[in-house]
Amino acid sequence: DQQVKQNSPSLSVQEGRISILNCDYTNSMFDYFLWYKKYPAEGPTFLISISSIKDKNEDGRFTVFLNKSAKHLSLHIVPSQPGDSAVYFCAASSTGNQFYFGTGTSLTVIP
Amino acid sequence: KAGVTQTPRYLIKTRGQQVTLSCSPISGHRSVSWYQQTPGQGLQFLFEYFSETQRNKGNFPGRFSGRQFSNSRSEMNVSTLELGDSALYLCASSPRGGYGYTFGSGTRLTVV
Repeated sequence: DQQVKQNSPSLSVQEGRISILNCDYTNSMFDYFLWYKKYPAEGPTFLISISSIKDKNEDGRFTVFLNKSAKHLSLHIVPSQPGDSAVYFCAASSTGNQFYFGTGTSLTVIP
Repeated sequence: KAGVTQTPRYLIKTRGQQVTLSCSPISGHRSVSWYQQTPGQGLQFLFEYFSETQRNKGNFPGRFSGRQFSNSRSEMNVSTLELGDSALYLCASSPRGGYGYTFGSGTRLTVV
């Protein structure tokens, strides 16, 4: 039972353009969401988070949007850079002690 | 400061064997969580330990177990290995819980 879904396994974007990665969840009790980035042979690294009391959080080139009514969050990367090429995971939690991860979206930024 | 250290990085085992993976968290972090990553399944939560006590457990069979020592280091054990246990096992630590996870590089387990 996948409570967090990333329906796009892969995404290709030209350098300088916007990358939009999407994530849907089913559990309305989730109140904290994170995005992680993962390079091959490395563990995931924390990118950005958002709590359910907000609908947007911005950190440099990265912005996460949360639509609670649609149970949907998205990660925007502007402008996209080749170094952003990685697998991106979204994760959600209602307790802070157990996170449910999506299956990941592999982003390729084309120079 | 040193990050989360997982050993070994790679492991090959035969079906039916057992395996123990180790995780040393960031100094001062008392919560250690374990995840299994397989293609198409993302990261699946195994369990979380806090101050030597298992605080949360995911939906994995009893063959998967873990423990945490007084220095917060954690081990994960898988008994009677199956081919489907082949995966990347990731350990994450945080000061108190999931907010602010730092992941290790993982242990790649291959069961043949």
